[in-house]
Amino acid sequence: AQSVTQLGSHVSVSEGALVLLRCNYSSSVPPYLFWYVQYPNQGLQLLLKYTSAATLVKGINGFEAEFKKSETSFHLTKPSAHMSDAAEYFCAVSDFDNFNKFYFGSGTKLNVKP
Amino acid sequence: DTEVTQTPKHLVMGMTNKKSLKCEQHMGHRAMYWYKQKAKKPPELMFVYSYEKLSINESVPSRFSPECPNSSLLNLHLHALQPEDSALYLCASSLQGSSPYNEQFFGPGTRLTVL
Repeated sequence: AQSVTQLGSHVSVSEGALVLLRCNYSSSVPPYLFWYVQYPNQGLQLLLKYTSAATLVKGINGFEAEFKKSETSFHLTKPSAHMSDAAEYFCAVSDFDNFNKFYFGSGTKLNVKP
Repeated sequence: DTEVTQTPKHLVMGMTNKKSLKCEQHMGHRAMYWYKQKAKKPPELMFVYSYEKLSINESVPSRFSPECPNSSLLNLHLHALQPEDSALYLCASSLQGSSPYNEQFFGPGTRLTVL
């Protein structure tokens, strides 16, 4: 089955600093990848998704992710962190045999310091 | 309308109670999902409905009973739950089709506490 690994369960950055959240996938064929954000006591919101049309994907709230096949990675970045970015971030991949089934990474909690 | 709604927002129940969680969407999505999420963990898939038929059951205990009365509505009936079932229950929906790029839209969740 497909899987994603998120390195770093907690990431802390200062406001205005670069945000880098890591996601590596396990697949021998191009995966279908998604990044979601979850604020406390809320549901998940889609930030962006990889559709194979472009390796650099731009999402909402200034986030973007770059698909790197050679590194089997889909890391999420934002040039300048804002206090409102503090949340839990999940990388996910959809199953090849059943596109309705998602496999989520373990999540990374982003803390933004003033 | 691009949202998934869930009711109630919070639910406290005893182990002998019967209760139901409700989820609704009006985006024309034909796939609907129930997830369970424990604190500091990713969502765990419980059930998937595709065109109002149960297509995936991730070996969920029978004390959880899903129902999809129509294409817009999804229920989760709860009976004889255990304290370890306390969690955030998330509903989601997506377009049903052959595209692998269909994202899932999540509701805000129901915070369930079993006493």
